[in-house]
This record gives sequence, structure tokens and C-alpha cells, in this order.
Amino acid sequence: DTAVSQTPKYLVTQMGNDKSIKCEQNLGHDTMYWYKQDSKKFLKIMFSYNNKELIINETVPNRFSPKSPDKAHLNLHINSLELGDSAVYFCASSSWGRGEDTQYFGPGTRLTVL
Amino acid sequence: AQSVTQPDIHITVSEGASLELRCNYSYGATPYLFWYVQSPGQGLQLLLKYFSGDTLVQGIKGFEAEFKRSQSSFNLRKPSVHWSDAAEYFCAAGKTSYDKVIFGPGTSLSVIP
Repeated sequence: DTAVSQTPKYLVTQMGNDKSIKCEQNLGHDTMYWYKQDSKKFLKIMFSYNNKELIINETVPNRFSPKSPDKAHLNLHINSLELGDSAVYFCASSSWGRGEDTQYFGPGTRLTVL
Repeated sequence: AQSVTQPDIHITVSEGASLELRCNYSYGATPYLFWYVQSPGQGLQLLLKYFSGDTLVQGIKGFEAEFKRSQSSFNLRKPSVHWSDAAEYFCAAGKTSYDKVIFGPGTSLSVIP
């Protein structure tokens, strides 16, 4: 019973392509996040959604478009992939307003752009 | 600006030795504080967290961390390191349950037999 799952685990694609990464959580959380981990292992938040509403949108190229069809899912679509998009992308989820917060992370999707 | 720093990029310890990983934060008020571990090729696993109360926090896998407000620190400790503890360790901080969590740059731990 994986709490936060991501598909695919690995994604290799050519520059210019469009790709999507899917995330699902079965923890009953109402907030979901996307993080990018670069080659130096630096983790930076990209987006967060609460109840399907965009809450956090860091300075991310508009080629990246998150979509939340429901509270349990947050997908990341990337258009016109560039070499610099190569990274590991982590999805996470948490609960809003319960007095304490822990973000639970998925296993990551390693994206390689050739 | 809010930030989390981990002064040690890489630490090597012998198996059985004690371990302390340093973490400092810069926030307007005391944030929620976390330590996560990332094993090679894996996702992040929460080791422990601090929200309020007792400043010494116990976590999984024998880890503990101590919050020191005066030093803006949240250092992670383990009395006896096992080879399986070799991983990347991230300290993180957030203001509220819905705010973004800011991660430190990570400390890579190597364990020698």
C-alpha cells in the first residue's frame, strides 16, 4: 500500500517532446506538491495544490503545468522539454490546517532529456 | 529571507561511531522542522519532526534531534551509526501546514566498516 506513488519511475525523452508525470496519494491528504531535485541533490518546491486549487507557484517556466483532477492526484505536464529539465521530480502530500504538518514523499521520477 | 543551511556537505564516520549532522535555519518565527533521509535512488523518508514542546525529538532508526532556539539549530544525532545509515540527509523547515517546505542542501553520509 504505497502512500504516495509516482509514474513513471524513469523517463528518458528527447528535447522538444512533451511528457507527463503522474502522482497519486492514498493518505486522504488535501495538499499535494511537486519538487525538483537537481544533479547536486538540491530540492526546490515547484507547485502545491490544496483541494485542487493552486497555492504555491514558484518561479517555474510556464512549460510546466500541474493539473489536479481531484485531491488525490497531482500530475505534472512538461512541454517542449529542455536539457535543463533533467532532474528527479518528487511528488509529496500533506494535510492542511491540522496543527502539524508532515509532507510525505513519493519515490521520485528520474527525468532524462537527451 | 527564509533559509535552511547544512554546513557539512559530506561526512564520513566509522561504523559504531556517533554521528551529529548540523542544521541551522533562518525564519521570522520558529518554523516546523524536519529531518528527511534519502537512500541512493530512493525517495525521501521522514526521520523526525519538531513542531513544539520537548526540544529533544526522537525519530525512527535510532535518530534524535535537538531544537535549540537560541542557536536556530536543529541538529540530528545518532549514538552508533550502522552501515545502512549511509545516505543523504536533508534538514527542512516550514512555517505552517500549507506553506512550502524549504530544504537544506543536504549532507551526504558515508559509513566505513
